[in-house]
Amino acid sequence: AQRVTQPEKLLSVFKGAPVELKCNYSYSGSPELFWYVQYSRQRLQLLLRHISRESIKGFTADLNKGETSFHLKKPFAQEEDSAMYYCALSGGSYIPTFGRGTSLIVHP
Amino acid sequence: DTGVSQNPRHKITKRGQNVTFRCDPISEHNRLYWYRQTLGQGPEFLTYFQNEAQLEKSRLLSDRFSAERPKGSFSTLEIQRTEQGDSAMYLCASSGVSSYNEQFFGPGTRLTVL
Repeated sequence: AQRVTQPEKLLSVFKGAPVELKCNYSYSGSPELFWYVQYSRQRLQLLLRHISRESIKGFTADLNKGETSFHLKKPFAQEEDSAMYYCALSGGSYIPTFGRGTSLIVHP
Repeated sequence: DTGVSQNPRHKITKRGQNVTFRCDPISEHNRLYWYRQTLGQGPEFLTYFQNEAQLEKSRLLSDRFSAERPKGSFSTLEIQRTEQGDSAMYLCASSGVSSYNEQFFGPGTRLTVL
C-alpha cells in the first residue's frame, strides 16, 4: 500500500527565512514523487517532481530512499510562497496518493 | 484549450437527490482522474480512465458513485441518493503520455448536500 505523510498542517515563517516542508512516504517499489501547490483561489498545479531534479521558484526536493522522505526546501521564503503544498506519490499503477497538505504562511 | 474544465462549479442539492458532474480534460490527454477532497485533507483518489476504459474503480466510495467516459473525451461522475457526508470538493485531473504522470487539475465542483 502507498502512504504519504505530511506531519505539519501549518508552517509559519517570516520572509527571508528558510523553509522545509516535510514529506515521508511508504511504498515497496520505486516511487515517483511530486510536490503540488495550490495558491489562494487557484487550482492545484505541479510544483516539481523528483525525476526532473530541478529547482522551481527556488524550491528543491531531494528523494532520500533511506529515510523514505521527499522534503521540499527553499532557502529564503517569499510572501508569494504562501499556499497549500501537497506531496504526492505515484506507484507503477498510475494511481497517485496525496498527503493531507501543509499550509505555508510567509509573514512580511 | 485552456486546461481542464469542470461543470458545474457549485452544486447544492437535497439529500436523496442524484447529481452529475462533468469534466473536460486537456484534449490530447488520455488519462482522466476523479478525486474527492474534504476540508483539511488532500485529494482522495476515486477512479481513473485511460481513454474510455475505466481501469480502477474499486476506490469509488460506494455503489452510489459511478463514472463514465464514453468516447474517451469528457467524463461524468454521478452520485445517486446523495447523503450529507457526500458534501465535498470533487476534482478532476488529466494527464498524458508526454506529461510524465504530471496531473493537470480542474477547478473542482463543490457539492453541498442539505
